[in-house]
Order: sequence, then C-alpha cells, then structure tokens
Amino acid sequence: AQSVSQHNHHVILSEAASLELGCNYSYGGTVNLFWYVQYPGQHLQLLLKYFSGDPLVKGIKGFEAEFIKSKFSFNLRKPSVQWSDTAEYFCAVKFSGAGSYQLTFGKGTKLSVIP
Amino acid sequence: ETGVTQTPRHLVMGMTNKKSLKCEQHLGHNAMYWYKQSAKKPLELMFVYSLEERVENNSVPSRFSPECPNSSHLFLHLHTLQPEDSALYLCASSQQGLHSGANVLTFGAGSRLTVL
Repeated sequence: AQSVSQHNHHVILSEAASLELGCNYSYGGTVNLFWYVQYPGQHLQLLLKYFSGDPLVKGIKGFEAEFIKSKFSFNLRKPSVQWSDTAEYFCAVKFSGAGSYQLTFGKGTKLSVIP
Repeated sequence: ETGVTQTPRHLVMGMTNKKSLKCEQHLGHNAMYWYKQSAKKPLELMFVYSLEERVENNSVPSRFSPECPNSSHLFLHLHTLQPEDSALYLCASSQQGLHSGANVLTFGAGSRLTVL
C-alpha cells in the first residue's frame, strides 16, 4: 500500500537555525506532493505544492521543498527559522491510479522554535 | 477564515447521544471531504463528496454517516459513538474534481469532539 513517512515526530530548534523536515513516500508512479502547516489553534493550510516542472518549489514564508524522484523524497527546508514557524507540518502525497481521489498524509512533524 | 466554516467548534457527547457536525464552504468548490485527525496518527480520510460521486473509507464505522444536501454543505451525523472516536474532525473542500492531481484542499478549523 502507498504510504507517506515523516521521519521526525518533534523537532526543536533555536531561532535562526536551519530547518529540514524529511518526507518519503512509497510509490513508483506519478505523484503530486504537498506540504501543509497547522499553526497552534489554527486550520491546516497549504505551504507549498509540486505537480511538475522544476523540482525545487518555493512556498510561503520562505519555505521551499525539493522533489528527488530517485529517493522518493520531498523534504521541506527553511534557511533560518523564526519563533512564528512553531507549528505542525504535514507532508501529503496524491498518488496516481486506483484510489487517486485522496491525499495520503504523513503523521506530521511538530516544530518548536525557541526564541 | 478560510472560506470553510465548521460548527460546532467543540462538542462533548455521551455514547448514547446523537449529534451532527456541520460544514459549509463559500468558495464555489466542487468536492467536500471529512477527515479525522487524531494525535500521532496521519489524517484519515473518512468521506468525499463531489459532483461526480461519493466515496467512503470502508474502515469508517457505520456510527458515522455523512450527508451532502448540496455542493456547499456537508454534515457528519454521529450516533452511539465510542470514547476512541474523540478527535478533531476536519472538513475540507477542493475546486478540482475528485480525481484531479491538482486538487488543493482548503480546510476548516475543525470540530473537536469528546466522547464520554
């Protein structure tokens, strides 16, 4: 079955540190890739997405993600985090083929940024 | 506000109660979804409605029943729930059709359900 793995459950960083959150999926076919973010007490919202083209995609608030097809990965990065980046981050994949109507989410990574 | 409104935001119910969660989207989207968000678990898709079809996750117990009277409104009817059903229930909508790869979900703030 297709699955999405986020390696870290909880990441704690100091402000200005660099961030990389891992996301891997298990599927060899065509995928569409997403990162969603959920700030404390707020709704899930789209951070960035990849459908095709340049595998390095830029999202809101200085985030970017790189699709590496050979590694089945779509890691999220930010060069310098801020306290306001404290949130939970969810990787999601839309697989092609049967069951393609749904997004498959990872378990999420909670990011805590210490001032 | 995202354009997807969920009510109530918080609900406490006993195992013998019957209640409903409501979702309304003001975006003109074509598909609506119910997701269950539990701690330390991936978001679980429960039901999807679109212009073309309804899809349900076969692992969802029958004590949850969806209703979609039109493209802007979605309900989740709850009856004889169990304590393990306590979770955040998220409604989402998308502009694209059900099988479109370009489907971007817009989520509501969720309804926090506690079953005693």
